[in-house]
Amino acid sequence: LAKTTQPISMDSYEGQEVNITCSHNNIATNDYITWYQQFPSQGPRFIIQGYKTKVTNEVASLFIPADRKSSTLSLPRVSLSDTAVYYCLVAPFNDYKLSFGAGTTVTVRA
Amino acid sequence: DAGITQSPRHKVTETGTPVTLRCHQTENHRYMYWYRQDPGHGLRLIHYSYGVKDTDKGEVSDGYSVSRSKTEDFLLTLESATSSQTSVYFCAISDGQGHDGYEQYFGPGTRLTVT
Repeated sequence: LAKTTQPISMDSYEGQEVNITCSHNNIATNDYITWYQQFPSQGPRFIIQGYKTKVTNEVASLFIPADRKSSTLSLPRVSLSDTAVYYCLVAPFNDYKLSFGAGTTVTVRA
Repeated sequence: DAGITQSPRHKVTETGTPVTLRCHQTENHRYMYWYRQDPGHGLRLIHYSYGVKDTDKGEVSDGYSVSRSKTEDFLLTLESATSSQTSVYFCAISDGQGHDGYEQYFGPGTRLTVT
């Protein structure tokens, strides 16, 4: 499994864009990059996944450079309710065991 | 929300007693997982199942066993509970098909306290 490294915590203010960068230097050719969000007292929730370039959905955008050794989750115009832990995971092809690290605690302030 | 329930939601038990946690799904998903979450350790995989009667160990399987006799139910058993097993336990499911298989749906969690 490719090891991931992401910041332990980030602070932001309402209305700002939050970018969380995850490093995965030893990602394999067929690995997929997946991000989850976890609110206090709840299980994690899938946000977005991608293989390369850019993926966007109603919640976030995911930017993956050509070398795929890192990825950046972008949360546009955050609100207080976006305060959560965000996990970056690298999923091996056809292997559905996911390894959650400690994640990044994002705190949004008014 | 995906149809996943966990029971019980809260349990207090004594050291040395057996405990079984149940995860039930109504999505007919192939994969089911048990995780534990502790402060400072994030989410760690205990066991998972890739079909009826097909299970495998995760990274923290010692002291735990699982069973899956039908698609919808995945049981986690602590044979003899210890205080180190005090934790929040999450069940998750995924359909295990292609890239959509990386999307896991989590249950509400079970808070277990071993005294």
